[in-house]
Amino acid sequence: AQSVTQLDSQVPVFEEAPVELRCNYSSSVSVYLFWYVQYPNQGLQLLLKYLSGSTLVKGINGFEAEFNKSQTSFHLRKPSVHISDTAEYFCAVSEISGYSTLTFGKGTMLLVSP
Amino acid sequence: EAGVAQSPRYKIIEKRQSVAFWCNPISGHATLYWYQQILGQGPKLLIQFQNNGVVDDSQLPKDRFSAERLKGVDSTLKIQPAKLEDSAVYLCASSPGQGWDHEQFFGPGTRLTVL
Repeated sequence: AQSVTQLDSQVPVFEEAPVELRCNYSSSVSVYLFWYVQYPNQGLQLLLKYLSGSTLVKGINGFEAEFNKSQTSFHLRKPSVHISDTAEYFCAVSEISGYSTLTFGKGTMLLVSP
Repeated sequence: EAGVAQSPRYKIIEKRQSVAFWCNPISGHATLYWYQQILGQGPKLLIQFQNNGVVDDSQLPKDRFSAERLKGVDSTLKIQPAKLEDSAVYLCASSPGQGWDHEQFFGPGTRLTVL
């Protein structure tokens, strides 16, 4: 079975500063990796995904993430955040050979202030 | 393309009452998921359908929760009777099906409060 650890429950940052949200996973088989964003009172929206190929993945809204197999990590980064990036961010993993079941981390709340 | 639709958006009930949630997935999506998201936690899968068959319901509390997917399209999730700890957001998601890259598309959710 797979699991996901998001080390920070909350990350406060000032507008236009860079940010990194950390995600580590555990699985005995190959996986797909995802980052979803959840704005208040809304469902989850896909930011980016890693399936194969280049370990640096670019997503929407200027976010990117890097897959590091040796460290079993998939950290999310953005070079300059905006107030509108304030939201909850979830890392998720899915075993490639499985039924596409997603296992989510507990989430990281990104708080961007002026 | 229309997204995943869910209703109602909010529901308040008293413990021991019954409640039902409805989900309409994206047209043509074979796989449908129900998740429970308790405040401060990530979504937890309750049940997964492939067309109208159940693929995974290992985390569904079957003594009080039930779900069905009529004709492989819409789905309903029912809780009977509800407990205080069932207070959560119930998310429905869909994906095109097995062999896809496992991306799931989520609805806005139903926020349930059990008093």
